[in-house]
Amino acid sequence: GQSLEQPSEVTAVEGAIVQINCTYQTSGFYGLSWYQQHDGGAPTFLSYNALDGLEETGRFSSFLSRSDSYGYLLLQELQMKDSASYFCAVGGYSTLTFGKGTMLLVSP
Amino acid sequence: DADVTQTPRNRITKTGKRIMLECSQTKGHDRMYWYRQDPGLGLQLIYYSFDVKDINKGEISDGYSVSRQAQAKFSLSLESAIPNQTAFYFCATSGGPNTGELFFGEGSRLTVL
Repeated sequence: GQSLEQPSEVTAVEGAIVQINCTYQTSGFYGLSWYQQHDGGAPTFLSYNALDGLEETGRFSSFLSRSDSYGYLLLQELQMKDSASYFCAVGGYSTLTFGKGTMLLVSP
Repeated sequence: DADVTQTPRNRITKTGKRIMLECSQTKGHDRMYWYRQDPGLGLQLIYYSFDVKDINKGEISDGYSVSRQAQAKFSLSLESAIPNQTAFYFCATSGGPNTGELFFGEGSRLTVL
């Protein structure tokens, strides 16, 4: 089976940097994905790490350590619009298994 | 127009009724998925399909069935709805294995009274 752990809630202020951690246990691992979901909306893809290291996409970066079964999403220069839920998901060959999500609250 | 379209977007029904949620996509993807999301929780996989002749159960398939009518269409049915099936349902597509990227529809909110 597969299981993922991520914090349920994180708070930060505009302009700050926040890191959302994700640890996982899985029987078959191809990569770690991150998704953003605004309240009432659909999940949208942010990033995917198949190999160890840091992937950067604008203000967002994602890191993976396969040996530690650990990854994180780093959000820089936080904006109010970044208030949302963030999900990590582990990919097997065929499907993705999602964590329960981290609600990020950005305050002025 | 959205690449992945779900209908209906919102449905209220009663216990015991049959419900069908429909999903169509214009992305040309072979892989399609149905996920369920309960408030404050992650997404749980119900069923997935890699082509018209391929249907696979996910982690929570009991009480649900699916039909892949064409490459572009994948419907989810609740044969006899019950209140604990009240949730958001999301259809998603993928362009292939190991991409980590799913394209989600806007979701269907189902309430079973």
